[in-house]
Amino acid sequence: AQKVTQAQTEISVVEKEDVTLDCVYETRDTTYYLFWYKQPPSGELVFLIRRNSFDEQNEISGRYSWNFQKSTSSFNFTITASQVVDSAVYFCALSDTIQGAQKLVFGQGTRLTINP
Amino acid sequence: DSGVTQTPKHLITATGQRVTLRCSPRSGDLSVYWYQQSLDQGLQFLIQYYNGEERAKGNILERFSAQQFPDLHSELNLSSLELGDSALYFCASSYRSGGADIYNEQFFGPGTRLTVL
Repeated sequence: AQKVTQAQTEISVVEKEDVTLDCVYETRDTTYYLFWYKQPPSGELVFLIRRNSFDEQNEISGRYSWNFQKSTSSFNFTITASQVVDSAVYFCALSDTIQGAQKLVFGQGTRLTINP
Repeated sequence: DSGVTQTPKHLITATGQRVTLRCSPRSGDLSVYWYQQSLDQGLQFLIQYYNGEERAKGNILERFSAQQFPDLHSELNLSSLELGDSALYFCASSYRSGGADIYNEQFFGPGTRLTVL
């Protein structure tokens, strides 16, 4: 079955520190997709990135970077030079295809607090 | 702003009642998904519709039902409400339905916070 584990329940760092959020997944599929979403205190879920299982290149977007390692079934997310506005709950998610239809399987989330 | 709208934003009701949550997907998106976020269960997939047809069901209770209308908006109906149904209900949309080769990201609405007293 599809499963996503975010072992870090809460992380607290001081502004400008780098922080890495871990995500480990289990999948029965050879083709799959991984996602990260951000849930700020306002509550909405904001899409950050989608990565397919064939693309193991790391991705960088500004202060955000993602490290996908198929060998260890991990898709970790790093924020460089963190800012207070990065405080949120971050969810890693895995695609699950049911009879051709799609759903997302989410991890439990990591609550990130950036202190000034 | 994801382009997905949900109404109402907050809903407070009593046990045993019935409520309807409404979702309008992003312009052009044919798929609508419903998720429930609760403290004990986390984010759980409930149901998916594609162009008016049900495509997939997750952990959706029999007391819950949904539909997608010809204009592609969707409604989630929750009946015989219990205290444990209190949660944040998200709607998401994506362009396609699915298939192993293409998996579009899902864009989420702001959610409806349901409180059952």
